[in-house]
Amino acid sequence: DQQVKQNSPSLSVQEGRISILNCDYTNSMFDYFLWYKKYPAEGPTFLISISSIKDKNEDGRFTVFLNKSAKHLSLHIVPSQPGDSAVYFCAASANTGNQFYFGTGTSLTVIP
Amino acid sequence: GAGVSQSPRYKVAKRGQDVALRCDPISGHVSLFWYQQALGQGPEFLTYFQNEAQLDKSGLPSDRFFAERPEGSVSTLKIQRTQQEDSAVYLCASSLVGRTLNTGELFFGEGSRLTVL
Repeated sequence: DQQVKQNSPSLSVQEGRISILNCDYTNSMFDYFLWYKKYPAEGPTFLISISSIKDKNEDGRFTVFLNKSAKHLSLHIVPSQPGDSAVYFCAASANTGNQFYFGTGTSLTVIP
Repeated sequence: GAGVSQSPRYKVAKRGQDVALRCDPISGHVSLFWYQQALGQGPEFLTYFQNEAQLDKSGLPSDRFFAERPEGSVSTLKIQRTQQEDSAVYLCASSLVGRTLNTGELFFGEGSRLTVL
């Protein structure tokens, strides 16, 4: 069963506009969440994380929002740039566990 | 280099053949993970090492899959008698921290793409 879900396989956004990528999870034990970015033929690279004690974390153009009651997190990219075009994976972990659970990814295309 | 290194990058195997995939983690990283990523899917957990100890192998899909990290550094994922459903990208990741996952990120290698004919 998929404990982390990314229901939008793809997203297209104009350069300069906001990109919003969504992620839902089912396991209430998850307490740490990350976003990874992946270019073709490369491994995923870490983008930003958030602990469950926070509801927002910002790093430059990237902001992650966490809504624990809805078991939902989102990644906002403002302004979007063509170099942001990649597949974005949401991941979650529980302090009691040994693994990160990944969503299926959202392919973002930023149109110049 | 300073990152996680995996080899081979590409491997084509005939069904029934044994394969071995190697991972060189970042020096000093305590934790090492293997993930399997099928086409169009997210990475799925296979196994986890803390130093040389394999603490979790719950994600290994069958007893044909075996992983080791004998000296707490380089790791090898071995797949015996490969089947077509084993075709995937096998990702290795390492982390500086130990068992607690919520204080660190994973650093991934580029992956080994296995195609079983």
